Amino acid sequence: GENVEQHPSTLSVQEGDSAVIKCTYSDSASNYFPWYKQELGKGPQLIIDIRSNVGEKKDQRIAVTLNKTAKHFSLHITETQPEDSAVYFCAASGLMDSNYQLIWGAGTKLIIKP
Amino acid sequence: GAVVSQHPSRVICKSGTSVKIECRSLDFQATTMFWYRQFPKQSLMLMATSNEGSKATYEQGVEKDKFLINHASLTLSTLTVTSAHPEDSSFYICSANPSGGVETQYFGPGTRLLVL
Repeated sequence: GENVEQHPSTLSVQEGDSAVIKCTYSDSASNYFPWYKQELGKGPQLIIDIRSNVGEKKDQRIAVTLNKTAKHFSLHITETQPEDSAVYFCAASGLMDSNYQLIWGAGTKLIIKP
Repeated sequence: GAVVSQHPSRVICKSGTSVKIECRSLDFQATTMFWYRQFPKQSLMLMATSNEGSKATYEQGVEKDKFLINHASLTLSTLTVTSAHPEDSSFYICSANPSGGVETQYFGPGTRLLVL
């Protein structure tokens, strides 16, 4: 089944700098890769996603890149702001125990230092 | 658009009692909803996939008799934790996709369950 690894587990950056979070996946058949932001005590919020027929996608300060050959994808946040502080999860669509589902990374706690 | 609500947001119950959590899609119909559990500082763990009008599909290790799921309409799925015990204390989150399937899931705000 699919396995998703996410790094780093914690990332601290100065306000205004860029932040990059990386994920790798194991199943080459996976074709959908979302990123979610979760604030403390709340449900995850979809911030950007990418499909396997695209190499990069941008939405204002957020971008996601996908390298299908290497089986990794990354989240890039530019000009970070205090409100970007949260836990970020990557995921990949794939099979787990014969069920098609989203397979989740372990999460990255992003801390924006003022 | 694509708003999912949950009720209650927080519940405290005594050990041995049952607790029902509701998940509603407010502005779309959802033939499929997903129930997750999240322990502190951990990732999301899929418990089951809720299918409107049919039985839920449970993940390995999740007891279907303990976590009862009912998806009675296209906008409502319920999760009932039966005979709750302290180890069931967790953050329960539902999600749904307006287009169906596992992609583009929109999550509810979550329900914090504390079993005393």
